[in-house]
Amino acid sequence: AQSVTQLGSHVSVSEGALVLLRCNYSSSVPPYLFWYVQYPNQGLQLLLKYTTGATLVKGINGFEAEFKKSETSFHLTKPSAHMSDAAEYFCAVRKRVMVSNYQLIWGAGTKLIIKP
Amino acid sequence: EAGVTQFPSHSVIEKGQTVTLRCDPISGHDNLYWYRRVMGKEIKFLLHFVKESKQDESGMPNNRFLAERTGGTYSTLKVQPAELEDSGVYFCASSQGGVGVTQYFGPGTRLTVL
Repeated sequence: AQSVTQLGSHVSVSEGALVLLRCNYSSSVPPYLFWYVQYPNQGLQLLLKYTTGATLVKGINGFEAEFKKSETSFHLTKPSAHMSDAAEYFCAVRKRVMVSNYQLIWGAGTKLIIKP
Repeated sequence: EAGVTQFPSHSVIEKGQTVTLRCDPISGHDNLYWYRRVMGKEIKFLLHFVKESKQDESGMPNNRFLAERTGGTYSTLKVQPAELEDSGVYFCASSQGGVGVTQYFGPGTRLTVL
């Protein structure tokens, strides 16, 4: 069964510092992995996704994530945090239920706090 | 192109009342999903439509929840009667037909049951 673990319900970094949000998954099949972000009072927005191919995936707003099969990880990083990055971030893995039938399995979310 | 829209954005009702949430997917998207996030917990899958057919409703918590998708366009999720534990944010998402990978989410409906 697929599952997702996000380490840390809250992560606090200073403006300009490196952002690292951790995500580990379990999957019995090659995973499709996603990071979504929810800004305050807004819906979920796709940041980036990994399906196949290049393991380093670049997303919007300067974020990137690296798929590491050996570590079953898909950590999200950004070299320099900006105040506007304050939001809640969700990692998810796609679960195949049947042919052409999928659902997303989610981590518990990590709130990113940016200190001025 | 319009994104996924949900109505209402907030709903506050009393225990025992009925509430209907609506989701309008991105035009042309055959797949429509409902998810729910209870306060402080992870987002959980509720059900999946392909066009007007329920493909997977394994996540529906109980028979107080009824989802429909009229003509394969918009979807409604009715909770009747609502209980306190139904409070949370209900998200709708849509994706293209077949094996469309990316699910596009609406802003969510925050439901509070008093």
